Amino acid sequence: DIRMTQSPASLSASLGETVNIECLASEDIYSDLAWYQQKPGKSPQLLIYNANSLQNGVPSRFSGSGSGTQYSLKINSLQSEDVATYFCQQYNNYPLTFGSGTKLEIK
Amino acid sequence: EVQLQQSGPELRRPGSSVKLSCKASGYSITDYLMHWVKHRPEHGLEWIGWIDPEDGETKYAQKFQSKATLTADTSSNTAYMQLSSLTSEDTATYFCARSYGYTYYFDYWGQGVMVTVSS
Repeated sequence: DIRMTQSPASLSASLGETVNIECLASEDIYSDLAWYQQKPGKSPQLLIYNANSLQNGVPSRFSGSGSGTQYSLKINSLQSEDVATYFCQQYNNYPLTFGSGTKLEIK
Repeated sequence: EVQLQQSGPELRRPGSSVKLSCKASGYSITDYLMHWVKHRPEHGLEWIGWIDPEDGETKYAQKFQSKATLTADTSSNTAYMQLSSLTSEDTATYFCARSYGYTYYFDYWGQGVMVTVSS
């Protein structure tokens, strides 16, 4: 199975700041990577697919990058509504696997 | 508007089974794969498998091969997952989620359903 190592596990940042969340795959996943946002009590929402494609309706302050085994999610100009848990998912190989999540809080 | 509406919380005894439903609205389930995902806070998210409701084809993660059975009813636009021989390890929240074609990222998720296995 492809292991997705996500960091950090938690993150506290101020409004307006830029934050980065990383996912490291245990092998090359050829940009078959998605990022999701899950707010408390809600179902996950797709933010990014194919490592860097923004899902329709997602604010442009979210962006994804990376290739090979290393990927990142960047959130510019942090807003209060961005408080959530973020996780990555690889879909290059079975079984599909997920990162362990990053809990983002506002300072 | 696309929605995946899952059935309510379940409490089951060890050794029993449970069948969860995921009713789609706003699109035809035959146009997308339906996946199921398990979430336990201490174990994170685990992909269980998918079903193609158009022809009933399924694909399972190896560890869920004998645990989960995925089916779909196109007449009611609903997907189902049956979990058998329940143990405490099956206590979790289960999500359904759709993906388009054979791109296996999920653009819509159900709200999740809590299954508790306890004697």
